[in-house]
Amino acid sequence: DAEITQSPRHKITETGRQVTLACHQTWNHNNMFWYRQDLGHGLRLIHYSYGVQDTNKGEVSDGYSVSRSNTEDLPLTLESAASSQTSVYFCASSEYRATEAFFGQGTRLTVV
Amino acid sequence: GIQVEQSPPDLILQEGANSTLRCNFSDSVNNLQWFHQNPWGQLINLFYIPSGTKQNGRLSATTVATERYSLLYISSSQTTDSGVYFCAVPEMNRDDKIIFGKGTRLHILP
Repeated sequence: DAEITQSPRHKITETGRQVTLACHQTWNHNNMFWYRQDLGHGLRLIHYSYGVQDTNKGEVSDGYSVSRSNTEDLPLTLESAASSQTSVYFCASSEYRATEAFFGQGTRLTVV
Repeated sequence: GIQVEQSPPDLILQEGANSTLRCNFSDSVNNLQWFHQNPWGQLINLFYIPSGTKQNGRLSATTVATERYSLLYISSSQTTDSGVYFCAVPEMNRDDKIIFGKGTRLHILP
């Protein structure tokens, strides 16, 4: 069965370190998204991609970057982790122009 | 951008009760999804419902796109229904970018 997987599921890192969260989907979807979920804010869009070599900023993109070198993967990089980036991160994918989205299991990131 | 409002924000019910969750959106959309986030944090797809009514077991959903709302019905609630229910819609003119409401937290008491 097609799926979308995130790794790691949990991570603790120190302030100032670079961190990369992985997202891999086997749906062959064109669109991929990264969200963060925080109490009181719901899910907020960080970055998204409509296809290989395409990346776009979401509403909370500062301090994050993504790259899309193939259809299956959209890694999320925190250039210099900050305590404000402690959150649960979700990756999602959807078929081009048909926005039923499917989510990964989430990554809980703690920046100390 | 499009605004998505869900109500009520919190709901506590006894097992066996029925409930209706509402999602209002500020602009025309051509699709809408309902998700359940269980107590372990997983986001589970419930319905992909641009318009009309769909049913899946004890759950059903209705979207009236012309009036900009959707309803999620849960009948004969079970404790496993507890969690947060989100609706999500695509942003206007950008069908692939999905905007979430803040969710309804449902707590079913045994």
